[in-house]
Amino acid sequence: GQQLNQSPQSMFIQEGEDVSMNCTSSSIFNTWLWYKQDPGEGPVLLIALYKAGELTSNGRLTAQFGITRKDSFLNISASIPSDVGIYFCAVGGRSNFGNEKLTFGTGTRLTIIP
Amino acid sequence: NAGVTQTPKFRILKIGQSMTLQCTQDMNHNYMYWYRQDPGMGLKLIYYSVGAGITDKGEVPNGYNVSRSTTEDFPLRLELAAPSQTSVYFCASSEQSKRAFFGQGTRLTVV
Repeated sequence: GQQLNQSPQSMFIQEGEDVSMNCTSSSIFNTWLWYKQDPGEGPVLLIALYKAGELTSNGRLTAQFGITRKDSFLNISASIPSDVGIYFCAVGGRSNFGNEKLTFGTGTRLTIIP
Repeated sequence: NAGVTQTPKFRILKIGQSMTLQCTQDMNHNYMYWYRQDPGMGLKLIYYSVGAGITDKGEVPNGYNVSRSTTEDFPLRLELAAPSQTSVYFCASSEQSKRAFFGQGTRLTVV
């Protein structure tokens, strides 16, 4: 099936540092999404990307849809304690019904060291 | 704003017992999904539905069943619980696959 590879698997940073993570696939996708999961909660959508090469920001977060449509990255600038959590990429893949279903990556766990 | 509501939040089952995890959404979304998340891992798709009466298997459907008799509800059934089904289960819905909204999860332990 479709496989998304996220890296790094985990990150330990100090408050104020910038963060960069990425997501790659062997297949082409037309939709790339980034979600964040806080401890004990369900994932929440951060940024959605629909066009190859698109660069989109949401506050301190910036994400890009790779030009090959096989990758995406997410950057977080000037990290703060509430950035702690697991970040997932997701893609809209073709289902058996001819429309799209979401596939998630394995996640990047972000921890901020005091 | 209810969004996606899952019940129960926590459950302990004995091996071989059955149960139904409930999921309901009030956003009139056609797409609904069930995922499981094992400790420290990502989300794996169990089943999904693109509308009432239409469901399909995801990556890890074995041991589960679903039904979608209404747009709002998408219950997940475990017939014979096994320890391997200990996990956190998330239900999600979307108008299309692009913006899925998640419930808060059901933490299931099978002992």
